[in-house]
Amino acid sequence: GQQLNQSPQSMFIQEGEDVSMNCTSSSIFNTWLWYKQDPGEGPVLLIALYKAGELTSNGRLTAQFGITRKDSFLNISASIPSDVGIYFCAGRQSSNTGKLIFGQGTTLQVKP
Amino acid sequence: EAQVTQNPRYLITVTGKKLTVTCSQNMNHEYMSWYRQDPGLGLRQIYYSMNVEVTDKGDVPEGYKVSRKEKRNFPLILESPSPNQTSLYFCASRSMNTEAFFGQGTRLTVV
Repeated sequence: GQQLNQSPQSMFIQEGEDVSMNCTSSSIFNTWLWYKQDPGEGPVLLIALYKAGELTSNGRLTAQFGITRKDSFLNISASIPSDVGIYFCAGRQSSNTGKLIFGQGTTLQVKP
Repeated sequence: EAQVTQNPRYLITVTGKKLTVTCSQNMNHEYMSWYRQDPGLGLRQIYYSMNVEVTDKGDVPEGYKVSRKEKRNFPLILESPSPNQTSLYFCASRSMNTEAFFGQGTRLTVV
């Protein structure tokens, strides 16, 4: 099945630093989602994007739906220790009932 | 409280011994899915259901079965588990107006 290319695979940063990660595809998507998975838990939705070019924030998190519809970006500003976890992008190509396709995940570690 | 509840959370079993992982949601969602998570591969869909008695294969359905007899429940059945089914499994549900809401996961080890 199709997968999204998410990078980087892992990041080890100092508390207070900003973080950027992205997701790309060779196909067009109509919806981009960003999830976070805390250790031992299921993924939790952070941000949903439904329109090309859309820029949406959730606290220190900002995500963008790429103009080409083939990519999306997530930025975390001023990282804190509780940002630790795995971040997944997910895309949906067709209608609202279409299947979600996930990226491989970005593992973030934050050094206090 | 809105929940997707999976049981068990952890399971160690032997090759060939049939098992069922249960999933229940209390949000009256139409859509339910099962995913497996493996290192470096993200989440891959196993099966999904768009409503009661309507199920379909995802990307990695081999070795798995599902049923949707009631709207709230979507059990995952492994008739004859094999070691390559050792993984972290997630159930998720959603409605037309919401995105996928995940359970806490079931870590399965097949020896």
